Amino acid sequence: GAVVSQHPSRVICKSGTSVKIECRSLDFQATTMFWYRQFPKQSLMLMATSNEGSKATYEQGVEKDKFLINHASLTLSTLTVTSAHPEDSSFYICSPGSELGSSYNEQFFGPGTRLTVL
Amino acid sequence: AQSVSQHNHHVILSEAASLELGCNYSYGGTVNLFWYVQYPGQHLQLLLKYFSGDPLVKGIKGFEAEFIKSKFSFNLRKPSVQWSDTAEYFCAVENQGGKLIFGQGTELSVKP
Repeated sequence: GAVVSQHPSRVICKSGTSVKIECRSLDFQATTMFWYRQFPKQSLMLMATSNEGSKATYEQGVEKDKFLINHASLTLSTLTVTSAHPEDSSFYICSPGSELGSSYNEQFFGPGTRLTVL
Repeated sequence: AQSVSQHNHHVILSEAASLELGCNYSYGGTVNLFWYVQYPGQHLQLLLKYFSGDPLVKGIKGFEAEFIKSKFSFNLRKPSVQWSDTAEYFCAVENQGGKLIFGQGTELSVKP
């Protein structure tokens, strides 16, 4: 399967600061990138979907101005949590979507980034 | 609204016991179905998937799942669990828009 990396794996920040999370698909050209959030003991919730070179589509209830997503290339997408607050503390997971030219859609997941906002 | 429901929040089994985790979904259209596993401290890994064809799907590590369209179900099974199967299991449905909708997850604890 595809190799997906996220950086950083863990970040602790003060309330009000912004945090950037990088997601790279190392051997996979992703036309689509999904960003999920997972609260403790809960399931993954899709936050937004981005397509390379275009604006992200956000799920209902997710603030687009707070969670900035950039999908500048087929192998790199970033999620920036702006003015983070303690309630944004969560596990953020990226998932590249279908590979360029593939005949079916299968999602692979990054290892996740644990964000703790103090 | 589309949703996925996993009936068991936490399952505790002894080694060699049989496992069945329930998953039901609500979506009227064509779906792709997945089971993912998340071992402690690790990322999600695909166990198995169903796109079409034989409704009985075999995955990795001895897991299988059966798609029953009339019941909107995709239950996960394993005849004999091992301690190393201790993990969180997620059922997911992919709709025609390509979005994955996850169930709440089932925590499986296998006692040695």
